[in-house]
Amino acid sequence: DAMVIQNPRYQVTQFGKPVTLSCSQTLNHNVMYWYQQKSSQAPKLLFHYYDKDFNNEADTPDNFQSRRPNTSFCFLDIRSPGLGDAAMYLCATSTLQRPGPQYFGPGTRLLVL
Amino acid sequence: DAKTTQPPSMDCAEGRAANLPCNHSTISGNEYVYWYRQIHSQGPQYIIHGLKNNETNEMASLIITEDRKSSTLILPHATLRDTAVYYCIVTDRGSTLGRLYFGRGTQLTVWP
Repeated sequence: DAMVIQNPRYQVTQFGKPVTLSCSQTLNHNVMYWYQQKSSQAPKLLFHYYDKDFNNEADTPDNFQSRRPNTSFCFLDIRSPGLGDAAMYLCATSTLQRPGPQYFGPGTRLLVL
Repeated sequence: DAKTTQPPSMDCAEGRAANLPCNHSTISGNEYVYWYRQIHSQGPQYIIHGLKNNETNEMASLIITEDRKSSTLILPHATLRDTAVYYCIVTDRGSTLGRLYFGRGTQLTVWP
């Protein structure tokens, strides 16, 4: 089945140690999104890619970066994780079809020690 | 920023209809209403969307008022597996590439 895959489902890192979360999709969608969801809060958009064009949200910290080497894969890099970056990170995809839904992966839960 | 207002929580008996309201009084003419839900510890799941007409699919019905300032998501026969946080989101699909700005949503609890 076509889907959005996130690995790993749980990631533990140390304070200040760079970490990369990955997302892949078999839907061949143009647009990929990264959201951060802290405990008991709603998902918050960090940035998105339209093909290779990167679009950052104004309030996304510089500590968060992203790479999209091809249509299928997208990575979220956290350069120096702090305790406040512990959260669920959600990847989503969509087409440019007007209108069209976003398809979310299961998320990666990041724990910072 | 989220442009919608939803009650923080609602209850529903299993087998009954769940009617989830959403206010979006500042919606503009080219903005769609989307509904997503998030079951605990899972990614959000798309349910339905609409512009101004009522919509129905295999999961739910969406009723949008004539002035488009509010809408209601209807789950016709709620089951225990429908327990989730339901998010109502308005977005301009065209200019924003469909970026979703989530509000707090409604926690729906379905009771046996």
